[in-house]
Amino acid sequence: GDSVTQTEGLVTLTEGLPVMLNCTYQSTYSPFLFWYVQHLNEAPKLLLKSFTDNKRPEHQGFHATLHKSSSSFHLQKSSAQLSDSALYYCACSGGSNAKLTFGKGTKLSVKS
Amino acid sequence: EAAVTQSPRSKVAVTGGKVTLSCHQTNNHDYMYWYRQDTGHGLRLIHYSYVADSTEKGDIPDGYKASRPSQENFSLILELASLSQTAVYFCASSPGQSNTEVFFGKGTRLTVV
Repeated sequence: GDSVTQTEGLVTLTEGLPVMLNCTYQSTYSPFLFWYVQHLNEAPKLLLKSFTDNKRPEHQGFHATLHKSSSSFHLQKSSAQLSDSALYYCACSGGSNAKLTFGKGTKLSVKS
Repeated sequence: EAAVTQSPRSKVAVTGGKVTLSCHQTNNHDYMYWYRQDTGHGLRLIHYSYVADSTEKGDIPDGYKASRPSQENFSLILELASLSQTAVYFCASSPGQSNTEVFFGKGTRLTVV
């Protein structure tokens, strides 16, 4: 089945510094890749998803580029904000059953 | 806006007891899912369903049953709750295509004592 590997554990940044959270995947299909964000005591919600036409998705200052050659979909932002502190999940979905396979999550903590 | 509602939002259960977690969606989605969240493990799929009266095993189905009596409702059943099933459980729904968003409920915090 599919598998997703993310930067594990806690990433601590100072406000204003760039963010990069790594994500690589393995799949027998050509999957779609997603980033979900979960703020404290809230439900996970979609942040970004990959496109079929190689466009780079962007939302709330975050972007990610799907590199099929390296099976990666790293999440980036040029300048971290305090409100970016959250748990970030990379996920992939392939095949016909629309199952999302998640990585273990990366907790991002942004400090002033 | 898409809506997935879980009940209860928190529950304390005794070891060996039966627990039922309920989920209701008003999105008119075909697919529904139950995920378990644990620190260090992320979100793991327990069961899912793509049509009423049918359920499929996910990646960690042992110790759990699921029931989909209608398109809107999807339950997760722990027949004999164990300490290792203490976790946060999320229900979700989606239209079913691989490139579409999955919408999550707010979660149920289950503590087995």
